[in-house]
Amino acid sequence: DAKTTQPPSMDCAEGRAANLPCNHSTISGNEYVYWYRQIHSQGPQYIIHGLKNNETNEMASLIITEDRKSSTLILPHATLRDTAVYYCIVRVYNNDMRFGAGTRLTVKP
Amino acid sequence: DAGVIQSPRHEVTEMGQEVTLRCKPISGHDYLFWYRQTMMRGLELLIYFNNNVPIDDSGMPEDRFSAKMPNASFSTLKIQPSEPRDSAVYFCASSVSGELFFGEGSRLTVL
Repeated sequence: DAKTTQPPSMDCAEGRAANLPCNHSTISGNEYVYWYRQIHSQGPQYIIHGLKNNETNEMASLIITEDRKSSTLILPHATLRDTAVYYCIVRVYNNDMRFGAGTRLTVKP
Repeated sequence: DAGVIQSPRHEVTEMGQEVTLRCKPISGHDYLFWYRQTMMRGLELLIYFNNNVPIDDSGMPEDRFSAKMPNASFSTLKIQPSEPRDSAVYFCASSVSGELFFGEGSRLTVL
């Protein structure tokens, strides 16, 4: 069973914020929310992760709802180089990491 | 650090041949993961190790696939005999603190 649900694709205008949603209604108390992205055929790249609190780093912000059943990854100023497949994953810390189908984000000029 | 190093980057072989993919994790990382990616099935976890010990190999497709980690700096994924349906990109990743670092992948084509 898939632990997360993401829209298959999204578009975003260059320079605007990209908001990528993820549903994880069956998340357990000890599971983290991780986000990765894969640009073309490269290996996936870590973006950010969180447990309960909102997180921000130089790449993105992660907003987790209070009930932890969904989250949103925010790329504040999307560029063409942000075009990629974005994966939302829930996992117990340092346990297996299983990828779903992800969201294909296309940033348009 | 050079990152996770995989070899070969590309391999073309004939059905029935043995294939060995290699991975050098980042120094100090104690987890190592092997993944396979195809258009049809996406990114699949095959097996992962902790401190050189296999923890979960439930994703290994069948007995033709085997993975070893003889020491902390080296792992292999072997397919014997190979079949056309094994054609895919195989990724290795390592981690120490929950964040996985991926190699550039090995693209395998079995004719």
